[in-house]
Amino acid sequence: DAKTTQPNSMESNEEEPVHLPCNHSTISGTDYIHWYRQLPSQGPEYVIHGLTSNVNNRMASLAIAEDRKSSTLILHRATLRDAAVYYCILRAISNFGNEKLTFGTGTRLTIIP
Amino acid sequence: ETGVTQTPRHLVMGMTNKKSLKCEQHLGHNAMYWYKQSAKKPLELMFVYNFKEQTENNSVPSRFSPECPNSSHLFLHLHTLQPEDSALYLCASSLEAGLDQPQHFGDGTRLSIL
Repeated sequence: DAKTTQPNSMESNEEEPVHLPCNHSTISGTDYIHWYRQLPSQGPEYVIHGLTSNVNNRMASLAIAEDRKSSTLILHRATLRDAAVYYCILRAISNFGNEKLTFGTGTRLTIIP
Repeated sequence: ETGVTQTPRHLVMGMTNKKSLKCEQHLGHNAMYWYKQSAKKPLELMFVYNFKEQTENNSVPSRFSPECPNSSHLFLHLHTLQPEDSALYLCASSLEAGLDQPQHFGDGTRLSIL
């Protein structure tokens, strides 16, 4: 089964860009890469997703390596409200037709004022 | 306001009790999900409903029984739970059940089994 590996924690200064890495070296060709973040006492919040090409939205950018074995979530200008646990997730269909979600253990991002 | 509302926010129950968790969304979504989030463990997908039909049951014990009466409501009926079932139970919805569909999560029900 595919697995994701993320650093346990990262720190960044406010108003600077943040690059959050995720390794998924056993990713399959049809696995989608999703990123969610979770604040204390709240449910996860969708950030961005992609398959092969880099993606941009109002919250962040997703850079996917050409071999798809890793990806990087980029927050262009971190604010204090971006402090959260960020999860890199693979979504796929198993051989039995069930949806498989592979959640990483997440990166706790701390923003320094 | 997440668009997905879960009640109750906290629940304490004994192992012999029967209770239900409720999830409601008015986002016009057709797929709904139950997840379990235990301390220090990755999020686990439990059930998936797409257009009111259950499409996933990821080897969840029968003491957890889902119900989806319509596309806006999802229940998780609980009976004879074990202490290891104490966790945060999260509901999510998406426009439809697809691998490329973003999911909207509620804030969860924190369940404690005595």
